[in-house]
Amino acid sequence: QQQVKQSPQSLIVQKGGISIINCAYENTAFDYFPWYQQFPGKGPALLIAIRPDVSEKKEGRFTISFNKSAKQFSLHIMDSQPGDSATYFCAAAALQGGSEKLVFGKGTKLTVNP
Amino acid sequence: DTEVTQTPKHLVMGMTNKKSLKCEQHMGHRAMYWYKQKAKKPPELMFVYSYEKLSINESVPSRFSPECPNSSLLNLHLHALQPEDSALYLCASSPRTLAGTGVSVGELFFGEGSRLTVL
Repeated sequence: QQQVKQSPQSLIVQKGGISIINCAYENTAFDYFPWYQQFPGKGPALLIAIRPDVSEKKEGRFTISFNKSAKQFSLHIMDSQPGDSATYFCAAAALQGGSEKLVFGKGTKLTVNP
Repeated sequence: DTEVTQTPKHLVMGMTNKKSLKCEQHMGHRAMYWYKQKAKKPPELMFVYSYEKLSINESVPSRFSPECPNSSLLNLHLHALQPEDSALYLCASSPRTLAGTGVSVGELFFGEGSRLTVL
């Protein structure tokens, strides 16, 4: 129940294309769903996040779509650029025992070809 | 640039050494975390400090010893490590309030990590 399943493991798109990464969860106690972007040799950086009372959130070229009934959420990167090449982690968070816990998906390595 | 600063960036140590990793943040966050990340894997939670008290220990071996001297600093003391402990160690912080205050619990701000190699 603590797992967040992420797919695909790797993704190659052409510059200008749309990148789509999907995640699914089981635990209905999760109440916050962030996406992190990680470049090689760097720590993860918060990209965009959504709460389950919202079905979609857009920030620039990045959009999260959230389906509460299906317990699924996805990241769409519009007009993908070579600079977007990185590993993307979805995550889900919930308060447990008075402290918050963040569970990560296994990650998707995105390569955007010029 | 990240507002969570970790030192050192790289550390090589033998299995009998004692060393420490340090983390500092000045964002006023009251929750601080240690994560371990192996290559091509997601970060794995090790410890959570909330208001300078240890609130979560994910069954981490005692050769890893966390310390939170004050609200801005977090240390990870290392002793008698094994080669399989080689990894990127990430510190993170987040705003911390009681439930129902509207603060997102998942807003973790990560440092750039300390790359540890155990020989």
